[in-house]
Amino acid sequence: DADVTQTPRNRITKTGKRIMLECSQTKGHDRMYWYRQDPGLGLRLIYYSFDVKDINKGEISDGYSVSRQAQAKFSLSLESAIPNQTALYFCATSDSKRISSYNEQFFGPGTRLTVL
Amino acid sequence: AQTVTQSQPEMSVQEAETVTLSCTYDTSESDYYLFWYKQPPSRQMILVIRQEAYKQQNATENRFSVNFQKAAKSFSLKISDSQLGDAAMYFCAYRTKQTGGSRLTFGEGTQLTVNP
Repeated sequence: DADVTQTPRNRITKTGKRIMLECSQTKGHDRMYWYRQDPGLGLRLIYYSFDVKDINKGEISDGYSVSRQAQAKFSLSLESAIPNQTALYFCATSDSKRISSYNEQFFGPGTRLTVL
Repeated sequence: AQTVTQSQPEMSVQEAETVTLSCTYDTSESDYYLFWYKQPPSRQMILVIRQEAYKQQNATENRFSVNFQKAAKSFSLKISDSQLGDAAMYFCAYRTKQTGGSRLTFGEGTQLTVNP
């Protein structure tokens, strides 16, 4: 079973609709992230959370909100979707308590979102 | 803020040959982490190799190696004996070592094609 899962894997929605992307992890990591990938722009950070009560904006948070329901769950919401939010969305996790200093991030499989 | 630049949107290589992907970054910090991620058509983000800035020795992982030039702020990836399975999008990424800093800053990506 995958350690970091995202649902749905693909979603088509219409402008103005509210949509939620969900991320779950079984790695026991405390830190979770949401990134968005656009062609020619790489991945950009939307929001990140160091624990359930610590949520921070990333570089492109406008139009998005998040919820850390539990250590293992981190959801991304688009309150009113618009076409330029069409992108590939990734959730990632890392463990701040690891002995290794790299604190490697582990990524989910991504959600392809299309806003018409 | 740190920035990461990958100036080669596309590269191609013949199977069994060697290819080098370029990455430059901008930072005022003296110690940090650098990573190369691979994204095959499956969309999964896979960590290929990582480097700590204070380590002068270039990292190596099997057929993958880096040329880390700290003064030039350059972090190129060399793939030796290229295989068809190496075809993917490759992302260079930076992470600060500052306390509380675990977010990644990505480059734009390089699409690698491996020709049989």
